Amino acid sequence: AQTVTQSQPEMSVQEAETVTLSCTYDTSESDYYLFWYKQPPSRQMILVIRQEAYKQQNATENRFSVNFQKAAKSFSLKISDSQLGDAAMYFCAYRSAIGGSNYQLIWGAGTKLIIKP
Amino acid sequence: DTGVSQDPRHKITKRGQNVTFRCDPISEHNRLYWYRQTLGQGPEFLTYFQNEAQLEKSRLLSDRFSAERPKGSFSTLEIQRTEQGDSAMYLCASSLEAGEPQHFGDGTRLSIL
Repeated sequence: AQTVTQSQPEMSVQEAETVTLSCTYDTSESDYYLFWYKQPPSRQMILVIRQEAYKQQNATENRFSVNFQKAAKSFSLKISDSQLGDAAMYFCAYRSAIGGSNYQLIWGAGTKLIIKP
Repeated sequence: DTGVSQDPRHKITKRGQNVTFRCDPISEHNRLYWYRQTLGQGPEFLTYFQNEAQLEKSRLLSDRFSAERPKGSFSTLEIQRTEQGDSAMYLCASSLEAGEPQHFGDGTRLSIL
């Protein structure tokens, strides 16, 4: 079974600085997707970025980028120029690419990101 | 795009009562998912629909939990004979296809007295 581990329960960063959130996962599959979701307090889960395992190039979305290390099964999220609105719980999630198993997301426990003004 | 809508936002009930939550997915999305999220944890998958067909329900936490999507549009999640341990946030998500990103609603927070 696949597992996702986020070892940092909480991280803090000064506004405008850069922060990296860690995620490791375990799987025997070769084809899968990885995601970072953001959940602000009392608000809905929002997709931040996704990475296809077959792509070597790291995904980037504006200030958000990932460092995907497939061999090490590591998938970290870098947030550049941190803003107050980035404060939230960040969840790393895994989804199989195998048809028939690709419906559910498997989640880490989350990292609470605090932005210091 | 009206997003995924869940109702109610909050539900407080006494132990032993039955509760039902509703989820309206994004209109063109034929896949619908239910998750449970307890405090300080990531969501836990419960069940999954493709149109009106429930393709995965083995992860429902007990036989007190059931879900329906009768016409392939909105879905309901029912918990019978609620217990203290059922207190959690219940999240609904939808996607266009199984491999597409899932879009989440605001969730229904259940509190059992």
